[in-house]
Amino acid sequence: EVQLVESGGVVVQPGGSLRLSCAASGFTFDDYAMHWVRQAPGKGLEWVSLISWDGGSTYYADSVKGRFTISRDNSKNSLYLQMNSLRAEDTALYYCAKAVMVRGSAYMDVWGKGTTVTVSS
Amino acid sequence: QSVLTQPPSVSAAPGQKVTISCSGSSSNIGNNYVSWYQQLPGTAPKLLIYENNKRPSGIPDRFSGSKSGTSATLGITGLQTGDEADYYCGTWDSSLSAGLWVFGGGTKLTVL
Repeated sequence: EVQLVESGGVVVQPGGSLRLSCAASGFTFDDYAMHWVRQAPGKGLEWVSLISWDGGSTYYADSVKGRFTISRDNSKNSLYLQMNSLRAEDTALYYCAKAVMVRGSAYMDVWGKGTTVTVSS
Repeated sequence: QSVLTQPPSVSAAPGQKVTISCSGSSSNIGNNYVSWYQQLPGTAPKLLIYENNKRPSGIPDRFSGSKSGTSATLGITGLQTGDEADYYCGTWDSSLSAGLWVFGGGTKLTVL
């Protein structure tokens, strides 16, 4: 069964740091790019970051650029999101999602259940 | 303010048909495939439609997608109470101001 399981979400103070993890199973992890997507309480989906299959290319939303770093360890089938200088507006449920990118097409075909990050003093 | 514009809510009776629109521009929908995601209450999003009009395995043919120019549409026929959810469109965006991937603001479907 294809599965993504996020972890690492906690309550953190403004200005603090946190690292989220996403454990993948059931598919060949290093064949696929991966996304992080977040959802603030009662709000819609917001794309956060994308990493290529080999980690060689990374992309970020303007709202997190310079503060968040996406990375992966293909030997551990794991995806990460290092979050620094956290702000109240970063409070959200963070999902990892498997990216399908082929023949000019792109979509997210598998999603984890998410991990909650709360930034509050 | 989302780059892709969806109606905040739609509603219809069980058994009826509903459509959800997703409006963008040439930097996103106009030159890229659109996908749709269903988020049932309290759950993670799930892929519903990809490449404008294709359904993943297990998605019933009551769900359909189409694209014309810079707009896309999700259609749902034979509405069931279990279809009550938030629906999001998504696609690439090549505009520097938008970010690499964009979602619509989401549409809440109520089955009356």
